[in-house]
Amino acid sequence: DGGITQSPKYLFRKEGQNVTLSCEQNLNHDAMYWYRQDPGQGLRLIYYSQIVNDFQKGDIAEGYSVSREKKESFPLTVTSAQKNPTAFYLCASTSTFSTDTQYFGPGTRLTVL
Amino acid sequence: AQKVTQAQTEISVVEKEDVTLDCVYETRDTTYYLFWYKQPPSGELVFLIRRNSFDEQNEISGRYSWNFQKSTSSFNFTITASQVVDSAVYFCALRTTGNQFYFGTGTSLTVIP
Repeated sequence: DGGITQSPKYLFRKEGQNVTLSCEQNLNHDAMYWYRQDPGQGLRLIYYSQIVNDFQKGDIAEGYSVSREKKESFPLTVTSAQKNPTAFYLCASTSTFSTDTQYFGPGTRLTVL
Repeated sequence: AQKVTQAQTEISVVEKEDVTLDCVYETRDTTYYLFWYKQPPSGELVFLIRRNSFDEQNEISGRYSWNFQKSTSSFNFTITASQVVDSAVYFCALRTTGNQFYFGTGTSLTVIP
């Protein structure tokens, strides 16, 4: 089945540690995205990538880093510089055709202890 | 500038009542796409509908219907005869000619049995 997978579903981190969230898609989509969602809030764009080896900062990129070495994969690293990383993280993808829909993974809930 | 506004933060209805979720958007592009997503408690955003700016026909899918009016820049979503399973957060989104999506802050719907 085609889709987007994110792992792990729940992640706990100690303060000061970097952590990497996985996002994989087999939809053959060119564009991939990371969003952050805080309780009762909407989606805020962290980073997005329209093509392999290229990515752009979104609205809240500080304290995060990404890579796009393969079309299928867009991992997000939450660094120790992110002051308040506890949140729900959603990965999404879409084709670059402007008509296409953005599809989402199941999300990773990160908690900093 | 692109913007999506969902003025209703939370709505509660009794089961079998009809409910309308409002969405107002802003864009200067003439070609754009509007979306509705449902986010159940599990967290994954589920795609519901896509509508392009040239198609103002209303759409009905079972108990769901959508009213797109360019004159008022609105894309409202109505659930008829609501059910407990409709309880979720609903997001409206806008995509213009680029690959970026703009999301509203969401409306949390609670259907009371």
